[in-house]
Amino acid sequence: ETGVTQTPRHLVMGMTNKKSLKCEQHLGHNAMYWYKQSAKKPLELMFVYSLEERVENNSVPSRFSPECPNSSHLFLHLHTLQPEDSALYLCASSQDLMGRNYGYTFGSGTRLTVV
Amino acid sequence: GEDVEQSLFLSVREGDSSVINCTYTDSSSTYLYWYKQEPGAGLQLLTYIFSNMDMKQDQRLTVLLNKKDKHLSLRIADTQTGDSAIYFCAESAPSGGSYIPTFGRGTSLIVHP
Repeated sequence: ETGVTQTPRHLVMGMTNKKSLKCEQHLGHNAMYWYKQSAKKPLELMFVYSLEERVENNSVPSRFSPECPNSSHLFLHLHTLQPEDSALYLCASSQDLMGRNYGYTFGSGTRLTVV
Repeated sequence: GEDVEQSLFLSVREGDSSVINCTYTDSSSTYLYWYKQEPGAGLQLLTYIFSNMDMKQDQRLTVLLNKKDKHLSLRIADTQTGDSAIYFCAESAPSGGSYIPTFGRGTSLIVHP
C-alpha cells in the first residue's frame, strides 16, 4: 500500500450510467491529482487540487467532474462517457504543488471500461 | 514532438545491466524523476535528480543527467526478473508557482532468464 487508496479497482459502465471514482490519502499531503493512463500514450494530467481548490483543469470534457471535499479525499464523477474514455485512472498526491523530494505518491488506479 | 520521449521497449537478460533513456525539451526543468509501474499498480517513485546534478547513485540504480543534451538515463545493474515493469521518465519545471511533472509514455522493460 502506498498510502493512496483508490476505489473501485475495476469498473465497467454503460454510456448512460453515472458513477464515481474515489481516492483517499492519509499522508498529510495538500495536493491531489487525477491522471488518465491510456495504452501507449503519455500520462495525461486531468485535474489538480491544492488545499481543496482546483488549480488546473487540462481541457477535460465536462462528462468528467472532480470534487475535493477535503484534503484527504478526491472524487471523479463520471456521466455519459464514451468508449474512448476507457483507461486506467490514477490518483496521486504530493506534499504541495512543488512536488519536491518525495515526488508524487500514486494509487493503484481504477481500470474503467465503458461499454 | 512530445515533451518527454522514451523508447517503448527494452529487453535484457537477467544479470545484465539495463539502460533506459529519456530526452526532454524544457530547458528550465528543475526536477527529473524515474517512476516504476508494475502490472496492476500505480506509479512508484524510484529516484529523482535535481537539474544541478549530473549523477545520482542509489544501490543498483544510477541516474545520469546530461543537461546540455537534455538527456536522462536510468541504469539498473544486475537486472532481475522482478525489475520487469514499465519505467516512466518525468520532468518538472516551474510554471505558475507549481512544479507539476510531465511524463513520458513509459519504457517496458522485459527481463528474460
